[in-house]
Amino acid sequence: NAGVTQTPKFRVLKTGQSMTLLCAQDMNHEYMYWYRQDPGMGLRLIHYSVGEGTTAKGEVPDGYNVSRLKKQNFLLGLESAAPSQTSVYFCASSKLQNRGNQPQHFGDGTRLSIL
Amino acid sequence: QKEVEQDPGPLSVPEGAIVSLNCTYSNSAFQYFMWYRQYSRKGPELLMYTYSSGNKEDGRFTAQVDKSSKYISLFIRDSQPSDSATYLCAMSLSDYKLSFGAGTTVTVRA
Repeated sequence: NAGVTQTPKFRVLKTGQSMTLLCAQDMNHEYMYWYRQDPGMGLRLIHYSVGEGTTAKGEVPDGYNVSRLKKQNFLLGLESAAPSQTSVYFCASSKLQNRGNQPQHFGDGTRLSIL
Repeated sequence: QKEVEQDPGPLSVPEGAIVSLNCTYSNSAFQYFMWYRQYSRKGPELLMYTYSSGNKEDGRFTAQVDKSSKYISLFIRDSQPSDSATYLCAMSLSDYKLSFGAGTTVTVRA
């Protein structure tokens, strides 16, 4: 049982390039999330999904797009990378939120540098 | 002003000491309070989870929530070098959206 797996673990991009970060979970969780973590800022929610085929904006969605074509996968795309998107990106998943707040399970992150 | 404030530290204590961590928040509607532990180059892992006010104990860890003061705490008793990590507080309303503190980095010296 791998939990939440993120690929790649590291990546360096040039300004203007595009890329996709992949998140896969094997816990049959309904909800999936993408966060970015920056020094002194904590974790900030970029986009999230409450089920297959659905996505919604979080706190800092600009410059990112997401897709949830399969329940177990959640993709985060950067169409035209900017230096301000240099960060550590975390994916998380949780069970259906029908009884209070279900804990979120995190992957180990993707470290992305934009030059 | 951030919705959740957490002193980033760093905090350095000798092995066996009590570690005291805290967060303050501004949204009185928060109902769920969590502490996550994050080791270097790893993702956060849930450590403690509390609903509403009160205390919760799990082994060497105690979480306290004081909603009247909008203040939450985490205490680690008999701290070990393996407790060296960044501790993140998080809280939410009745839904799944979490608001995180910036994290406090703790080092336990052997």
